[in-house]
This record gives sequence, structure tokens and C-alpha cells, in this order.
Amino acid sequence: SAVISQKPSRDICQRGTSLTIQCQVDSQVTMMFWYRQQPGQSLTLIATANQGSEATYESGFVIDKFPISRPNLTFSTLTVSNMSPEDSSIYLCSVETAGGVNTGELFFGEGSRLTVL
Amino acid sequence: GNSVTQMEGPVTLSEEAFLTINCTYTATGYPSLFWYVQYPGEGLQLLLKATKADDKGSNKGFEATYRKETTSFHLEKGSVQVSDSAVYFCARGRGGSEKLVFGKGTKLTVNP
Repeated sequence: SAVISQKPSRDICQRGTSLTIQCQVDSQVTMMFWYRQQPGQSLTLIATANQGSEATYESGFVIDKFPISRPNLTFSTLTVSNMSPEDSSIYLCSVETAGGVNTGELFFGEGSRLTVL
Repeated sequence: GNSVTQMEGPVTLSEEAFLTINCTYTATGYPSLFWYVQYPGEGLQLLLKATKADDKGSNKGFEATYRKETTSFHLEKGSVQVSDSAVYFCARGRGGSEKLVFGKGTKLTVNP
């Protein structure tokens, strides 16, 4: 298993500003992912955070809007840039541990609830 | 395409009632299927899974059977408890990297 800490847990931001969300895992993990859960919607994968290289973005998401860092195997950040009210959402960090490769079992943080005014 | 369709919520039941939450998926192959649960104030966690047709996943009294012929993975529990109140997400694997596609979630409230 893995214990994931995200911060901030929630924030209220002004339009046009940027916010960085941090994700810390209590063990080294192979895969880290960032999801978005918009109000009343399902979870949507934003990108896979790759250690030592650029993140892999899903269709509809770009690096300029959602820059991601992953400096080591236990930590990642997601930045939501130039925010608009449409970015109001819960952002979730998730990981797949080495023992769970290709099992589909992901561990999730509690999420960061972002409100953009 | 890759999609997961869940029964719309919210669902409200009395304790000891029977629960079914429907889930169907579209697939070009035979993906792994999952149910995740999110209890109030907590992160998502895996409830159960099935990796091939006719497999039955089970945990905490919940069950779901991988039905290839109906492309379904309905979640059932014979007797729900107040502590089962949560949001339940159906999900399917997508591609060899097993990136998941989630349904919209179904909120369950169980009253004493």
C-alpha cells in the first residue's frame, strides 16, 4: 500500500493566478498520476508524472496549462496555471506501486479542492 | 471508445436493504474492471476488482461479476450498513498501461 499526502487540501484563488499542488508518497512508487474531478463529473486523467522526464499528457491537457514536476520517486507537483472558474475542481494525485504494476490498483490522495473566483 | 456508465445517484437505502449499483462499459477488448469507494473525507480506495470474464470480485460483503456478454460489472450487497455510506466509482482499465477510465460515481446514503 501507499500513503499519499496532498497539499493544499483546499484553496480559493483569483482568476488569472496559478496554484501548485504537492503530492508526497511515503514510499518509492513507479507510476504517479494526476486526475481531475469536476463537479458532478467522473475522474479524468490529466497526465502521468514521469520521474526524470517530461510528463505524459492526455488528450485535452497541455503542459503550459498544467505543468508537472517529478524530481524523485516519492514526490510530484501539479500547477494549474492562469486559472479561470472552469478550473474549479478537485485535483487528485494517485500512484501505482511496484507490487501493483498492471493490476490496476491505484492509491489516491484525499484531493485538493480548488475554487476559482 | 472507452467509457463507463454508472447508475445515476444519489441512492438512499435503509439499513439491511439490498444494494445494486449498475455499471456498464464499452470495450474493444477485455479490460480489467474495478469498483472504487470514497468514504466521506477520505481518498478513493479500491473496493474490488475482476480481471477476466466471469470473475467475481468481492470485499466487505460487496460483490461484482464481470459479464462479458452484457459488458456489465454491477455492484451488489445483500445487506447494507450505515458505514457503507460513500461514493462508489466503477472503472475499467484502458490499454496495456492500465490507465483507468472512471464512471461518474454514485453516492449511497444508508439510514439507520
